[in-house]
Amino acid sequence: AQSVTQLGSHVSVSEGALVLLRCNYSSSVPPYLFWYVQYPNQGLQLLLKYTSAATLVKGINGFEAEFKKSETSFHLTKPSAHMSDAAEYFCAVTKAAGNKLTFGGGTRVLVKP
Amino acid sequence: NAGVMQNPRHLVRRRGQEARLRCSPMKGHSHVYWYRQLPEEGLKFMVYLQKENIIDESGMPKERFSAEFPKEGPSILRIQQVVRGDSAAYFCASNPMSGATYNEQFFGPGTRLTVL
Repeated sequence: AQSVTQLGSHVSVSEGALVLLRCNYSSSVPPYLFWYVQYPNQGLQLLLKYTSAATLVKGINGFEAEFKKSETSFHLTKPSAHMSDAAEYFCAVTKAAGNKLTFGGGTRVLVKP
Repeated sequence: NAGVMQNPRHLVRRRGQEARLRCSPMKGHSHVYWYRQLPEEGLKFMVYLQKENIIDESGMPKERFSAEFPKEGPSILRIQQVVRGDSAAYFCASNPMSGATYNEQFFGPGTRLTVL
């Protein structure tokens, strides 16, 4: 069975500071990994995805994530936080295209001016 | 190309009533997924459907919940005899299963169900 752990349910960063959101997964097969963002009362929007190509994945809004097989991690980063980054972020894994996604518990990001 | 559509966006039901949630996938997408997000929790998979077929229902509660995706029309998630614990946001996603985005699920805005 697959699982995803997101360390830290809440993260507070200052505007302009580094954003680092942690995600560790377990999967019996090479996984597909995703980061989604959810703004209040909205659906999920895909930030980026890893599908066994490059291990460093660049996404929208300046976010990127690095797949590290040895650490079973897929941490999300952004060099400089913006107020508009305040949202909840979800890491998700699936073992094959088209299969169900297994989500982490989410990390809510607060950006302080 | 319009995104995934869900309606209603908000639904209020009293205990014991039925709730019907609708999802229209993106044009050309024939794979639909339903997820539930309980308050302060992440999303949990419920069911995966293709047109006229249930592919994976491993996340569906055994009773009161059913889903369909007919040949014509939207996918429907039906909850009979709702209880307060059914209050949650229900999200639908669709997947083209082809092209550059074949492994992506595109999410709708969700239906927020409140059971009184």
